[in-house]
Amino acid sequence: DIQMTQSPSSLSASVGDTVTITCRASQTFSNYLNWYQQKPGKAPKLLIYAASTLQSGVPSRFSGSGSGTDFTLTISGLRPEDFGTYYCQQSYSIPYTFGQGTKLEIK
Amino acid sequence: EVQLVESGGGLIQPGGSLTLSCAASGFTVSGNYMSWVRQAPGKGLEWVSVIYSGGATYYADSVKGRFTISRDNSKNTLYLQMNSLRVDDTAVYYCAGSAKRYFAFWGQGTLVTVSS
Repeated sequence: DIQMTQSPSSLSASVGDTVTITCRASQTFSNYLNWYQQKPGKAPKLLIYAASTLQSGVPSRFSGSGSGTDFTLTISGLRPEDFGTYYCQQSYSIPYTFGQGTKLEIK
Repeated sequence: EVQLVESGGGLIQPGGSLTLSCAASGFTVSGNYMSWVRQAPGKGLEWVSVIYSGGATYYADSVKGRFTISRDNSKNTLYLQMNSLRVDDTAVYYCAGSAKRYFAFWGQGTLVTVSS
């Protein structure tokens, strides 16, 4: 199984900041890496798929990059509504594993 | 507009069985990748199972042999038959789907509580 490790586990940032969340895979794969945002009590929402493709309707301040084993999600110009927990997920091989999540708090 | 609506959750004793349903509208279950993803209380997301458009099915090791994913094309509905339920199966279960191997559309989730 491919293990996905996110860092940091939590972070606190201010409105307007740029934040970066990292996801590292236990083995290399191409770009089958996806990012989700989840708010308390709600279903996750797809932000980025194929490592860097922005899902329709997602603000352009969200961006993704990476390949191989190291991937990043960057939020540029943080807004108050960006609080929540962010998950990476690999869809390269079964089982489709998620990272453990990064909880983002807005100061 | 795509809508996925789960139902069938509830309180069940250990060892019991339950079937979850996910009714889709604005989206064809049979033509897409459909998965179940669960989230235990206060925990992260765990992929459970997938059914491909061609009908192939796959499971997480934690549920293999106990859970069965299926679909009814005439009802445009996805199912998860859960047998031999354990306390650690307690979670919110989401159905999720997409044309590709990511989860673009999600239901609102249904809570399964396994407890005596």
